[in-house]
Amino acid sequence: KQEVTQIPAALSVPEGENLVLNCSFTDSAIYNLQWFRQDPGKGLTSLLLIQSSQREQTSGRLNASLDKSSGRSTLYIAASQPGDSATYLCAVRRGAGANSKLTFGKGITLSVRP
Amino acid sequence: DADVTQTPRNRITKTGKRIMLECSQTKGHDRMYWYRQDPGLGLRLIYYSFDVKDINKGEISDGYSVSRQAQAKFSLSLESAIPNQTALYFCATSDEPGQGSYGYTFGSGTRLTVV
Repeated sequence: KQEVTQIPAALSVPEGENLVLNCSFTDSAIYNLQWFRQDPGKGLTSLLLIQSSQREQTSGRLNASLDKSSGRSTLYIAASQPGDSATYLCAVRRGAGANSKLTFGKGITLSVRP
Repeated sequence: DADVTQTPRNRITKTGKRIMLECSQTKGHDRMYWYRQDPGLGLRLIYYSFDVKDINKGEISDGYSVSRQAQAKFSLSLESAIPNQTALYFCATSDEPGQGSYGYTFGSGTRLTVV
């Protein structure tokens, strides 16, 4: 059974800091990995999707990397801002057929202090 | 309009009542999902559907049922609501996995409180 772990559960940093959010998964036979952002009580917004054949994806100040063999992904946020405060969820998609579903980590709640 | 629309956004209901949560999507994808989110437990899959004629149970389907009325519509019902079904419910849609996949798109959620 695929398990996805995100540690720590919460993180507080001062504004302007570059930071890395970690995600690990137990089964490397994944199809892709998706990072989401969730504001309190709100829906999930997709940030980046990395296919299993890719090493990284970038969008603005965000960069996500994937190392399938070691079962790890990182989300790098450059020059953090208070508006980046949210919960960040990592999810992996395994298989290509009927079992192709997302498995989520529990998220990292980020607070960026002004 | 949002790609995935859930109604209602908030609902308070009494124990024992039947309630339906509705979801519609404009992505044109065949696959749709219902999740619930609880503090400390993360997101858990309730039901999923890979096309109009396909319905599958997820991790926590007891006490829930679904209906796939069309490619774009997938509703979740609580036949007899109980307090531990108080949670944030999300509908999602996805395309098939592949190199050109866009991944999953989620709705804004329905906050359900059972009193």
